[in-house]
Amino acid sequence: GQQVMQIPQYQHVQEGEDFTTYCNSSTTLSNIQWYKQRPGGHPVFLIQLVKSGEVKKQKRLTFQFGEAKKNSSLHITATQTTDVGTYFCAAGRGANNLFFGTGTRLTVIP
Amino acid sequence: NAGVTQTPKFRILKIGQSMTLQCTQDMNHNYMYWYRQDPGMGLKLIYYSVGAGITDKGEVPNGYNVSRSTTEDFPLRLELAAPSQTSVYFCASSYSAGSSGNTIYFGEGSWLTVV
Repeated sequence: GQQVMQIPQYQHVQEGEDFTTYCNSSTTLSNIQWYKQRPGGHPVFLIQLVKSGEVKKQKRLTFQFGEAKKNSSLHITATQTTDVGTYFCAAGRGANNLFFGTGTRLTVIP
Repeated sequence: NAGVTQTPKFRILKIGQSMTLQCTQDMNHNYMYWYRQDPGMGLKLIYYSVGAGITDKGEVPNGYNVSRSTTEDFPLRLELAAPSQTSVYFCASSYSAGSSGNTIYFGEGSWLTVV
């Protein structure tokens, strides 16, 4: 079945450094969503990408959807301690199911 | 709106016991979901529902049952608890299919330990 792979699994950065997580699928995706989960919290929706090659920005966060719609990335510029958490991509499968990637756990060292 | 509310927040079960995780949403969403998240892992879909009276299996349904008698409520039942069911359980909802791009809203989670 369709799998959504995320890399890296863990990332430790110094505060102020940049961070990127990648999401890859073996099949073409209709859309992709990104969620953030703070430690001990629940996933919270960040953004959705639909179009091939789409780029969206939210302050220091930049989201990209690949031209072939098989991969996506989330880039954080100049990380802050508030960015700590696990970032998940999620991709649709069939009519109803949304499959979540394995997540990238970000630690920001002050 | 309270959003998605699930109870209990924490529970310890003995092997073989049964329990129900309650979930309710006040956003009039058609779709509801139950996910489990094992420590350090991603989310696995257990069951989902596209509307009252309709439920379907997700990736990991074994050992669980659900019902959807109303739009608002989507309880998850564990009949014979096993240590492998120790996990954090998230209930979620969306207006339409999450796979079609609709935002999924999550409850705060229920931490379940089976000993």
